[in-house]
Amino acid sequence: DTGVSQDPRHKITKRGQNVTFRCDPISEHNRLYWYRQTLGQGPEFLTYFQNEAQLEKSRLLSDRFSAERPKGSFSTLEIQRTEQGDSAMYLCASSFQYEAFFGQGTRLTVV
Amino acid sequence: GNSVTQMEGPVTLSEEAFLTINCTYTATGYPSLFWYVQYPGEGLQLLLKATKADDKGSNKGFEATYRKETTSFHLEKGSVQVSDSAVYFCAPLSGGSNYKLTFGKGTLLTVNP
Repeated sequence: DTGVSQDPRHKITKRGQNVTFRCDPISEHNRLYWYRQTLGQGPEFLTYFQNEAQLEKSRLLSDRFSAERPKGSFSTLEIQRTEQGDSAMYLCASSFQYEAFFGQGTRLTVV
Repeated sequence: GNSVTQMEGPVTLSEEAFLTINCTYTATGYPSLFWYVQYPGEGLQLLLKATKADDKGSNKGFEATYRKETTSFHLEKGSVQVSDSAVYFCAPLSGGSNYKLTFGKGTLLTVNP
């Protein structure tokens, strides 16, 4: 499968715990995006990498959130001290030019 | 930044009915325009795109025309199927420092047999 891959697909965690999600983009795609989607809403932009450089972060991305893309390949999104409001679907997308391709998402439930 | 206004859902149609989902946008410069579709529990799939004014994107019987003068990109299909039931998102993509997709709330389409 040469699409965008996200791991895990589902994560249940207790409030206050740290979680980390991984995204493997389509090979040779230089741009990588993270979005968050809650029920009944459209995806909201979180952050964006071009190669290994993080070029933009949304104000939605509080200090508890951090994203990395070492060597411009896969990316990780970490949420520290999770809160119930962090429960959402976290979507990763990659692109080379205009078209962005999305992964299946990681559904996070904070209990 | 960019913004999108989509037709409020849910939209419920019978199989073989004509579909229109309205989308208007505000964006910096001359954006590329996309429609994405999301099936339950899944990520987003690219449905079609148009990269310049008057371009028509098409895929799987769906069409949308880039109208710069009205900043619109309405999605149409002549005859919907039950399998088209999903949430549809319109999204502009601008260049420069704003190089990211901006999504509206989406429009839920339900097609009944």
